[in-house]
Amino acid sequence: DSGVTQTPKHLITATGQRVTLRCSPRSGDLSVYWYQQSLDQGLQFLIQYYNGEERAKGNILERFSAQQFPDLHSELNLSSLELGDSALYFCASNPPDRTDTQYFGPGTRLTVL
Amino acid sequence: GENVEQHPSTLSVQEGDSAVIKCTYSDSASNYFPWYKQELGKRPQLIIDIRSNVGEKKDQRIAVTLNKTAKHFSLHITETQPEDSAVYFCAASISRGSTLGRLYFGRGTQLTVWP
Repeated sequence: DSGVTQTPKHLITATGQRVTLRCSPRSGDLSVYWYQQSLDQGLQFLIQYYNGEERAKGNILERFSAQQFPDLHSELNLSSLELGDSALYFCASNPPDRTDTQYFGPGTRLTVL
Repeated sequence: GENVEQHPSTLSVQEGDSAVIKCTYSDSASNYFPWYKQELGKRPQLIIDIRSNVGEKKDQRIAVTLNKTAKHFSLHITETQPEDSAVYFCAASISRGSTLGRLYFGRGTQLTVWP
């Protein structure tokens, strides 16, 4: 157990819908990273937050957005869902004194039908 | 941005043999290289990492080597066991400016250890 929690574990929804994925970093960690894992794209960085502020953006679609709240949990919002958005979504966090080491949560498996 | 390539994509070994997975990276500014093990449907789990000021690091049956000049790093697993079967990912990180910490992953290696 890495200490990073994610909910829900599984999500099944239809095209065009909107979902919210939730992540809580390890106690004391200030950063949250979101990654998408699909068969064709592999593990891809989406976005990073540090202490409530967006720090870096990767290959995140305009239909996707995220935020980090004062209690440091983060939410990833996916809207106008398409079949190709079906993937595993992971969040990760790192300790303040080791800003390169990332520990991953268990992931949310999103299935878009 | 950084580009990480990983080989081979699949690797089958007999129990007790060694396994080697190789990765190359493109950006000489990369300074952190972790390896993750992922079992089916589970989270990537950090198994070992190396920083650019070190050439080799070992943890029991696992070792990682880094060649900064050639921009490649490798994972070595000795005395493999069936429970080592999983997908292994290499990654690189550039710790500078706004890109601090984001990981660039290779495409993964499916390691199968036959008893």
